[in-house]
Amino acid sequence: GEDVEQSLFLSVREGDSSVINCTYTDSSSTYLYWYKQEPGAGLQLLTYIFSNMDMKQDQRLTVLLNKKDKHLSLRIADTQTGDSAIYFCAESNTGGFKTIFGAGTRLFVKA
Amino acid sequence: GAVVSQHPSWVICKSGTSVKIECRSLDFQATTMFWYRQFPKQSLMLMATSNEGSKATYEQGVEKDKFLINHASLTLSTLTVTSAHPEDSSFYICSAGDTSGRVSYEQYFGPGTRLTVT
Repeated sequence: GEDVEQSLFLSVREGDSSVINCTYTDSSSTYLYWYKQEPGAGLQLLTYIFSNMDMKQDQRLTVLLNKKDKHLSLRIADTQTGDSAIYFCAESNTGGFKTIFGAGTRLFVKA
Repeated sequence: GAVVSQHPSWVICKSGTSVKIECRSLDFQATTMFWYRQFPKQSLMLMATSNEGSKATYEQGVEKDKFLINHASLTLSTLTVTSAHPEDSSFYICSAGDTSGRVSYEQYFGPGTRLTVT
């Protein structure tokens, strides 16, 4: 079945860039997402990329997609302490909204 | 933006009782809503897909008789945990897809409901 994997923990210093990586197995994935979850809260969609794109930039966020390797990354420039949260990689295909989530990467930003 | 609410935000119940959790899309219609369960420090596990006016589709391993889902209108889906046990304690999150044509690929997540069964 479909699977999404990502590293579980990342620690960076404030002001540095953070790069969170993700791999997925479903070759029919059409939409790939990055969600942010703060403690005790639901998920907030940060950004998304369609599978026919290689890169998407949105202010401090840059998403890179290597469809051949089924690898997705999220780069956060000038990481701030407020960026500390869990970041989930997710994918869905054209069949509908069903979305498969990775286990989440806990980002810790040191001041 | 689209808003999804959940009620209650947290609930404590005794073992053997049933608990109902509501998920509402506040400013859009959602023919499809999803129910997830999240264990501490783990990812979201899709429990079921709730379709307005029809039976929910449950993921493998999820007991449909234990987790009753009703999607009675385009803005409301409910999850009832029947005969709750301590192992049902978890964070339950719903999401709704905006099918009005505005943003068809995005799910909007509720804030979650923390259930503790004593």
